[in-house]
Amino acid sequence: DTAVSQTPKYLVTQMGNDKSIKCEQNLGHDTMYWYKQDSKKFLKIMFSYNNKELIINETVPNRFSPKSPDKAHLNLHINSLELGDSAVYFCASSNREGRAFFGQGTRLTVV
Amino acid sequence: DQQVKQNSPSLSVQEGRISILNCDYTNSMFDYFLWYKKYPAEGPTFLISISSIKDKNEDGRFTVFLNKSAKHLSLHIVPSQPGDSAVYFCAASAYGNQFYFGTGTSLTVIP
Repeated sequence: DTAVSQTPKYLVTQMGNDKSIKCEQNLGHDTMYWYKQDSKKFLKIMFSYNNKELIINETVPNRFSPKSPDKAHLNLHINSLELGDSAVYFCASSNREGRAFFGQGTRLTVV
Repeated sequence: DQQVKQNSPSLSVQEGRISILNCDYTNSMFDYFLWYKKYPAEGPTFLISISSIKDKNEDGRFTVFLNKSAKHLSLHIVPSQPGDSAVYFCAASAYGNQFYFGTGTSLTVIP
């Protein structure tokens, strides 16, 4: 059973398009995150959600918006995609011990 | 501003020898530290963690050491095995909030 699953695994799209990446966790965790791994392999936090409320929002362009329909889901919507958005995006959730569990990643390529 | 740093992008070790991966941090508020292992095309998976109240935590072949005064932690793998070849990320958090990751160290264990 996959604990944190995100879809799609690969996404190729043109500049200017709007796309979404879905994430679901079946661990019963209260907090979910989106991370971006750029070309330098640096994992950077984008958003975190705790009980459907955004608690941390780093300096991410407002073209990116997280949507959490319920505690088990945190989807990432990206509007007006740019070339620089190409990266691998990881969804994660964490338990009360502070341990984060990651999805397998979504490789986004903007052409 | 990178609060968690891994200054060695890569490390090669002979099978059976000890692998030592290092990590430095700048934020004295961090109270929980984790190591993640990542294979290509997969999300990071939790390996071992340590709370700031401890200076050592051991789990099988993996031991994490924490030196709070130096703001330094290290991961020791002994004996190293070819299956340990992966990218290792150090991460830190404060009071269970967002996780800050280092840039990773690519470990290659040579048979």
